[in-house]
Amino acid sequence: GAGVSQTPSNKVTEKGKYVELRCDPISGHTALYWYRQSLGQGPEFLIYFQGTGAADDSGLPNDRFFAVRPEGSVSTLKIQRTERGDSAVYLCASSSGDRGSPLHFGNGTRLTVT
Amino acid sequence: SQQGEEDPQALSIQEGENATMNCSYKTSINNLQWYRQNSGRGLVHLILIRSNEREKHSGRLRVTLDTSKKSSSLLITASRAADTASYFCATVRGSNYQLIWGAGTKLIIKP
Repeated sequence: GAGVSQTPSNKVTEKGKYVELRCDPISGHTALYWYRQSLGQGPEFLIYFQGTGAADDSGLPNDRFFAVRPEGSVSTLKIQRTERGDSAVYLCASSSGDRGSPLHFGNGTRLTVT
Repeated sequence: SQQGEEDPQALSIQEGENATMNCSYKTSINNLQWYRQNSGRGLVHLILIRSNEREKHSGRLRVTLDTSKKSSSLLITASRAADTASYFCATVRGSNYQLIWGAGTKLIIKP
C-alpha cells in the first residue's frame, strides 16, 4: 500500500511568511509524528498525535509552530512568521500506535527560509 | 534531546566487507530500533530489538543489545554499494511512545 506522503517536497519562503506542510499517513495508522532534521543530525521531535488529539506537543520550539489533525488522518504543520533558523527538513511519520512500534517516515519537506 | 549516540560518526569501507556501527544510550529502555536514511529521503525502519533480547538477525543485518553497558551494535555483512546511507539508532523508554534519536553514522561503501 501507499506509504507516508508529504507535500510539498520543497518549500522556499521569505522570512516572515506563513507556511503549511502537509502529511498523509498510512491508512489506519492512529499515531502521527512530526520531526525536524538539520543536516548531519538525527530527527528532533516536534509533536505527536494519537488520533485527532495532540498527545504531546512539547517539542514545538515556540508558539509560531502549530499542528492539526482534524479527522485523525491528514496532518498539517503550520509555521507563522518564519525565520531563517526554521530552515530544515520536516519529517512526518506514522505508526500503528502501539507503544514502541516502528515508525514509517515520509520523504520530508525541505523548508528553506530566505 | 538525544539519548543515543552512534559511533563512528562516519565509516568508509570496501564493498564486500562487514560494517559495524555502535549505539550507546543513557537510560533504561523498552526497545531499541535501527533506521537507515538515504540522502534526501525519509528514514526506513530496519530492525527492532527488545530489552529482553540480546541478539537479532534480519537478512544481512545482525543487531546486538547489551543492557548492562547500555549499548547496541548493528553489523551489516557483505556490504554493497546500496548500503551507503546514514544509520540511526532510536530508543523507546518505559511507557513512553517517543523515540529518542542519535546523530547517526554515515556509512560509505566504496565499489
